[in-house]
Amino acid sequence: AQKITQTQPGMFVQEKEAVTLDCTYDTSDPSYGLFWYKQPSSGEMIFLIYQGSYDQQNATEGRYSLNFQKARKSANLVISASQLGDSAMYFCAMREGRRGGATNKLIFGTGTLLAVQP
Amino acid sequence: ETGVTQSPTHLIKTRGQQVTLRCSSQSGHNTVSWYQQALGQGPQFIFQYYREEENGRGNFPPRFSGLQFPNYSSELNVNALELDDSALYLCASSAQTSGSIYEQYFGPGTRLTVT
Repeated sequence: AQKITQTQPGMFVQEKEAVTLDCTYDTSDPSYGLFWYKQPSSGEMIFLIYQGSYDQQNATEGRYSLNFQKARKSANLVISASQLGDSAMYFCAMREGRRGGATNKLIFGTGTLLAVQP
Repeated sequence: ETGVTQSPTHLIKTRGQQVTLRCSSQSGHNTVSWYQQALGQGPQFIFQYYREEENGRGNFPPRFSGLQFPNYSSELNVNALELDDSALYLCASSAQTSGSIYEQYFGPGTRLTVT
């Protein structure tokens, strides 16, 4: 069964330092996509980064990078040079099937609450 | 901001009542998905609408139903409300063209409290 596991309920990081948020997944589908979303206290889910299962290189988007280890089924998010505005809940999510799949159903983990300290 | 709007922002209902939540998708997006996020949990997929038809559903009972209109806006209806329906309801829109689906963008959510 498809599943996303985030084992860190909460994390602290000093401003300007890097932080890694862990995510492992389970799926029997050889084609899937992995996502990271940020959810501030306002509630809106903000898309951060996407990694396809067949992508050869790790995805990067500005200060965000995804450490994709397919054999270990892990997709950790790395945030470099943390800022106070990065304090939020972070969710890892998976979509099975190719981008051309029939539905856009995302399976989410339970999230990691990140607190950036000055 | 993503351009996806939801109304109302907050809502309080009594057990047994019915509720309708609304979502306007981002311009150019023809697919809308609804998620339920209970406190302290990740969002759970309710269903998806594409071109006014439901084309995917999560593990939710039939009292959760929806509509999509020709302008691609959408409604989520919940009948016979239960206390466990208290949650943040998120709407997400995406584009689907020639069989390809692109990243979905979420609205700010509607927080429903059932008493």
